[in-house]
Amino acid sequence: DTEVTQTPKHLVMGMTNKKSLKCEQHMGHRAMYWYKQKAKKPPELMFVYSYEKLSINESVPSRFSPECPNSSLLNLHLHALQPEDSALYLCASSPGQGAYTIYFGEGSWLTVV
Amino acid sequence: GNSVTQMEGPVTLSEEAFLTINCTYTATGYPSLFWYVQYPGEGLQLLLKATKADDKGSNKGFEATYRKETTSFHLEKGSVQVSDSAVYFCALSDPSDNDMRFGAGTRLTVKP
Repeated sequence: DTEVTQTPKHLVMGMTNKKSLKCEQHMGHRAMYWYKQKAKKPPELMFVYSYEKLSINESVPSRFSPECPNSSLLNLHLHALQPEDSALYLCASSPGQGAYTIYFGEGSWLTVV
Repeated sequence: GNSVTQMEGPVTLSEEAFLTINCTYTATGYPSLFWYVQYPGEGLQLLLKATKADDKGSNKGFEATYRKETTSFHLEKGSVQVSDSAVYFCALSDPSDNDMRFGAGTRLTVKP
């Protein structure tokens, strides 16, 4: 089973709202990722958690706040977003950080109005 | 640094045509190479991978061979179907790098 589950699939939020994206994997993977994908572009790395600790933050604005409650769960808290933050947000996991296969979820489509 | 250069699209083919999508890479170490496919409205799915030189990855009729001498990992399929219409991403993962490097993506449309 190589499944990464993301909720919600679609989210519309106002610029003053606070919302969260959720991600879960039960493959025993120790690295989890958040990517942002704009239309017709490849995914761009936002955050990496390795063994439940934040390993990489690719200079993401503080209005995006990641959280890793345990080894199976990854959240992305959203606050005071801008319309240009509208995108597909992909969660992913891999056995470890480095040259491992990364498995992606179906993504959460975010629209900021 | 590490990078992936992928054939620009879009590519439009008739059903049962032969497909090649070119991918070349630059890497400082010994990377693993991947092809991911993204169907409309969905996330990325791993299509195939190869972890060392001369390895051939294959899945669902797609194949790609890790060619170290030409630093290439071209995707091929002998007979495409309408259901293969999607965006295909070539990617590289190297122990020396913190991130998987993606190509720009190639949009494939297969017409009946």
